[in-house]
Amino acid sequence: EAQVTQNPRYLITVTGKKLTVTCSQNMNHEYMSWYRQDPGLGLRQIYYSMNVEATDKGDVPEGYKVSRKEKRNFPLILESPSPNQTSLYFCASSPGVSGGTYNEQFFGPGTRLTVL
Amino acid sequence: AQSVAQPEDQVNVAEGNPLTVKCTYSVSGNPYLFWYVQYPNRGLQFLLKYITGDNLVKGSYGFEAEFNKSQTSFHLKKPSALVSDSALYFCAVSDYSSASKIIFGSGTRLSIRP
Repeated sequence: EAQVTQNPRYLITVTGKKLTVTCSQNMNHEYMSWYRQDPGLGLRQIYYSMNVEATDKGDVPEGYKVSRKEKRNFPLILESPSPNQTSLYFCASSPGVSGGTYNEQFFGPGTRLTVL
Repeated sequence: AQSVAQPEDQVNVAEGNPLTVKCTYSVSGNPYLFWYVQYPNRGLQFLLKYITGDNLVKGSYGFEAEFNKSQTSFHLKKPSALVSDSALYFCAVSDYSSASKIIFGSGTRLSIRP
């Protein structure tokens, strides 16, 4: 089954404790992206990647890191989480060398993160 | 800079009536426009998109959207609403010059009453 998977689905952590949210897709998509969803703000793009070893900042990259060493994986890293990073996070992927600008995205199920 | 607005936080419609969820956008070049739907505790699902061509775009589950360049709008429509259409709907916009940045609206909650 073609899908985007994220782990963990739920995470409660404390301020300053480094964490990684994994994202994997099995559709051979070039484009991958991370979003956070907050009430009243919709989805905001954190980082995106056009292909392996090619990542770029979205609108809200502060406090996050990503890497794209393999085509299928795009982990989101919070080096020192803070309470304002409590949110619902989505990973997405999209086909096409031209990137995700005109191709529809496939979303993962989401990761609900709480930072105390 | 790109932007997208969904002016209504919530839209309430009776089952069987037509529905419209509004979206307006601002981009520097030609827009790429998308609608996604989110059901409770799920990720977003693609409904339809406008890239170029016919202004009326048809998508999944009987939804359609009309691209209006002069009004910079891309409203989502359905002729006859179903209770199962109740969900959160997001409009998104990008353009070729944005280097793959995609902007989502704040979302509109659609509630269909039986």
